[in-house]
Parts: sequence; C-alpha cells; structure tokens
Amino acid sequence: AQKITQTQPGMFVQEKEAVTLDCTYDTSDQSYGLFWYKQPSSGEMIFLIYQGSYDEQNATEGRYSLNFQKARKSANLVISASQLGDSAMYFCAMREAGLTGGGNKLTFGTGTQLKVEL
Amino acid sequence: DGGITQSPKYLFRKEGQNVTLSCEQNLNHDAMYWYRQDPGQGLRLIYYSQIVNDFQKGDIAEGYSVSREKKESFPLTVTSAQKNPTAFYLCASTRDRGWNTEAFFGQGTRLTVV
Repeated sequence: AQKITQTQPGMFVQEKEAVTLDCTYDTSDQSYGLFWYKQPSSGEMIFLIYQGSYDEQNATEGRYSLNFQKARKSANLVISASQLGDSAMYFCAMREAGLTGGGNKLTFGTGTQLKVEL
Repeated sequence: DGGITQSPKYLFRKEGQNVTLSCEQNLNHDAMYWYRQDPGQGLRLIYYSQIVNDFQKGDIAEGYSVSREKKESFPLTVTSAQKNPTAFYLCASTRDRGWNTEAFFGQGTRLTVV
C-alpha cells in the first residue's frame, strides 16, 4: 500500500488565487511527521512546512498552510495568493517514529506539478 | 554556509561500469539518505544511514552500494548490476533520526547511461 498518495498529477491556478494540493497518508504509528517540499525545475528540494501528528493547530509558514485532518489521514497544502514563482513540483512526505517496525525513513508521494498562470 | 554538496552535477556512465556519486554535508547531521527520482514516481529511498559505520537498505537498494566511514560523507556507488540507472539522484540529511526533523537536500546528480 502507498504510504503517501498525491492524486493530482498537475494543477493550474491563476496568479493571486489560492490553491490546495491534496495529500493522504497511511500509517499505524501514533507519532509521525508530515512535510511538504517544493522542487523547481532546477531540481533542488526546498522544505516548505511541517506538521506533527500531535499538533492540534494547523501549521502555517507565510503563504503556506497545512490543512491537517488526522481522522481522514490527510495533510493538504494550501498556497494563498499564488505567484508565478510558485510554479514547481510539490511533494508531500511522511516520517514515522518507526515503533511499528517500519523504520523511520522519509517517504515521498509522487508529486503534483503546479502551474501558475497570469 | 552549511549545506549538502553533491558532485558531480551531471554524470555519464557506459554500460557495465561502476560509478560513485559523492555527497558531503557540513551540517553535523547524524542521518543521511540517498533517493532516486524518475519522472512521475516521486522520490524512492535507496539507502540510509543513521550513524557512522551503519546503514540500511531502502526500498530500491538492488544494484547500489554505500559506505559511511565519516559523519559528513555518504557516497553512493551505482554498480553494473543496476539495470536502469539513468535517473536523478538526491542526497539528503537530517539532524537526527527523530520523526519531526526536516530533511535538507543537495542539488542532485543527473546520471545518464550512454
């Protein structure tokens, strides 16, 4: 079973509008972290935002916020006021505490290609 | 500035050759990772190391080997047993093995078989 599922291969959004990138995850661990990374065409991976499984508040970092719904096992990324520079591939990732024997490696989804249009 | 350095940026390999990708970090991080990225498949874990002189196989370790003799270095060798090595390779590190620490990445190495 996929640990991280990103069902949107590609998304378009108009400049200055908000966009939501979907991410669902699967784990039996109680302790885990969820991460979002941005990958521009240059290939580097840029860390955007983190949400811990015990955090009661949704994480926010500037224009990025994470809509964390623990019961649904979803961790969607919301980008507000999109900019042309936001065009990139976005990856959701999870690290489990490893207490159920799965180790604590960082597992990635397949990504969503976001294109911001004028 | 602290960071992760991968070299070379581009690498070409002939069929049957072994090649080694370099990854060095000066962040004083305990854990290091190698990922392979193919189009449409996200990042897949090859090997990871949580401490010097120790490493574990990831999801796609066949045809690859690693060593971790120094804290700051985690080289990846792509052997001739790897049948389809053309891909983008990313090295990462984390401060420790905690589940709540983010990973820092290098700039990547693009390997092409010619």
